[in-house]
Parts: sequence; structure tokens; C-alpha cells
Amino acid sequence: AQSVTQLGSHVSVSEGALVLLRCNYSSSVPPYLFWYVQYPNQGLQLLLKYTTGATLVKGINGFEAEFKKSETSFHLTKPSAHMSDAAEYFCAVSEREYGNKLVFGAGTILRVKS
Amino acid sequence: SAVISQKPSRDICQRGTSLTIQCQVDSQVTMMFWYRQQPGQSLTLIATANQGSEATYESGFVIDKFPISRPNLTFSTLTVSNMSPEDSSIYLCSVGSGGAYNEQFFGPGTRLTVL
Repeated sequence: AQSVTQLGSHVSVSEGALVLLRCNYSSSVPPYLFWYVQYPNQGLQLLLKYTTGATLVKGINGFEAEFKKSETSFHLTKPSAHMSDAAEYFCAVSEREYGNKLVFGAGTILRVKS
Repeated sequence: SAVISQKPSRDICQRGTSLTIQCQVDSQVTMMFWYRQQPGQSLTLIATANQGSEATYESGFVIDKFPISRPNLTFSTLTVSNMSPEDSSIYLCSVGSGGAYNEQFFGPGTRLTVL
């Protein structure tokens, strides 16, 4: 069965600092991995995804994530935080064998301090 | 990506009543999904709604409580029946992009408060 663990329900960084949001997954087969962002009172927006091929994937707003099979991780990073990055971030996994249904992590709220 | 709208955007309801949430997509899609996001929680899949077939419910969710309609390839409704305060959540619909990876795109959500 699939599962996703996001370490840290809240992360606080200073503006301009590195953003690192951690995600570990459990999957019996090579998974598809996603990061979504949810701004206050809004739906979810897809940031980036890993399906196959290159393990370092780039997304919108300067975010990127690296799929590390040996570590079962898919951490999200951004070199320099901006105030507009403050939001909640969800890591999700899906498997073709489960009809590509998404299983979400608990979410990480990112706070950016000026 | 598809443009998805939901109605209503928010509502306050009395316990024991029912609310129907609409989800409209600007293009034809095969797979639609309904999720619940309880306060301070992550998203939980309620059911998958494919056009032309009965919705498939996840463990813990039943049709009597959350009936779903999918009359065509651009529209779906979710009804929250006989509501209680525990049903206070954000309800989101999403659509699958199709293909091998089926990434999902989400609507803005419906914020429901049950008194």
C-alpha cells in the first residue's frame, strides 16, 4: 500500500533562504510522485511531478525536487524563498496499479519571514 | 490543464440537511475525483466518478452519505447528506489528465460549515 510521510508540519525560513520540504514515500512499485501547493482559501496547484526519466525535476515558481529511489524520498527545494511562497505544500504518490489514485501526505505549512 | 469551477464556494448549513456541490470542467475528462479536507488535515479521497459508471467509493465513505452524479464528461455533483458538524470540511473535485501518469488538477474547493 502507498503512503507518504512529510517531515515537519511547519517549516519557517527567512526570505532569501533555502527552502527544503521533506517527503518520503512507501510504494511497492516505482511510483509517480507529485508536489502540490495550496494557498490560503484556494484549491491545490500542481508544482511538479516525477513519472519516469530524469530524477531531478523542475517545477513552477523556481521549485525543484529530486527522486531518490534508494532513500524513497522526493524532497522539494527552492534556492531562495520569497514571501509569496508562504503556503501549504502537499506531497502525493500514485501507482498505476491503484488506478493512479493520489495518496497525500499530511502537508507542510511554509512560513517565510521578512 | 483543465479549468475547474465549483459551486458553491462556501456554505453554512444546519445539521440534518443536505448540500449538493457542483463541479464543472471546461473540457471533457474521463476521470473525476472528490476529496475531503477536514480542518487542519490533508486530503482524503472520497470517490472516483467516471462517466457512464457508478462512482467507486473509498473505504469509510458510502453512497448513502455521499451520493455522486456524473451525467456527462464535463460535470459532476457530490451531495453531503444528513449533515453533522463532523462534515465541516473543504470538499474538492479534481480531474485526471488521462494517459499513463494521470496527474490531477483541482478545483478551488467548497468550504462547508455545519452548525
